[in-house]
Amino acid sequence: DTAVSQTPKYLVTQMGNDKSIKCEQNLGHDTMYWYKQDSKKFLKIMFSYNNKELIINETVPNRFSPKSPDKAHLNLHINSLELGDSAVYFCASSRPTGGQETQYFGPGTRLLVL
Amino acid sequence: AQSVSQHNHHVILSEAASLELGCNYSYGGTVNLFWYVQYPGQHLQLLLKYFSGDPLVKGIKGFEAEFIKSKFSFNLRKPSVQWSDTAEYFCAVKSGYSSASKIIFGSGTRLSIRP
Repeated sequence: DTAVSQTPKYLVTQMGNDKSIKCEQNLGHDTMYWYKQDSKKFLKIMFSYNNKELIINETVPNRFSPKSPDKAHLNLHINSLELGDSAVYFCASSRPTGGQETQYFGPGTRLLVL
Repeated sequence: AQSVSQHNHHVILSEAASLELGCNYSYGGTVNLFWYVQYPGQHLQLLLKYFSGDPLVKGIKGFEAEFIKSKFSFNLRKPSVQWSDTAEYFCAVKSGYSSASKIIFGSGTRLSIRP
């Protein structure tokens, strides 16, 4: 009965490769997010989708492309991976309720670029 | 620009000590406030949240936080910590009601409890 799930949990890859991380939520939420947590634990939002539409797009390189096939899924594709992309990527979801919402986080995907 | 400050980067306490972690934000309008905890190697879990009403909010595992609007603060407290409270604690603020409003996280406070 996992609420927000991500695959894979760990991802080790070479520079220049293309990889995808998948996220699914079974909470019936309308909004999903991608966050990046760097080695200093600093957590920053990358993207947000509401009902499959992009609503927040932070200053993120074009190599990162989110895709939401339906409101329960938000995948993150990364092209031409760089060393600096190494981080933990967290997916989250929420259901805005009159402006009051709580975000629920997935377990994270630990990406290491060699 | 909106920001969240957690001034304590690393706090070390003994078991049974009292805890207070500071959180200040910069935004003059309506805010939603959160504390999340991240246990080693795990994802973020919600400890407590404030949307409106009583400024003293009680959360899980004996944690509480007090919203002081005049001080733009939302400090986290626990009267007696346990070794299992060792974790990273993040304060977060969401301004306004739009779905386009971001949640801004503080830089986190690492809490180490000595058994």
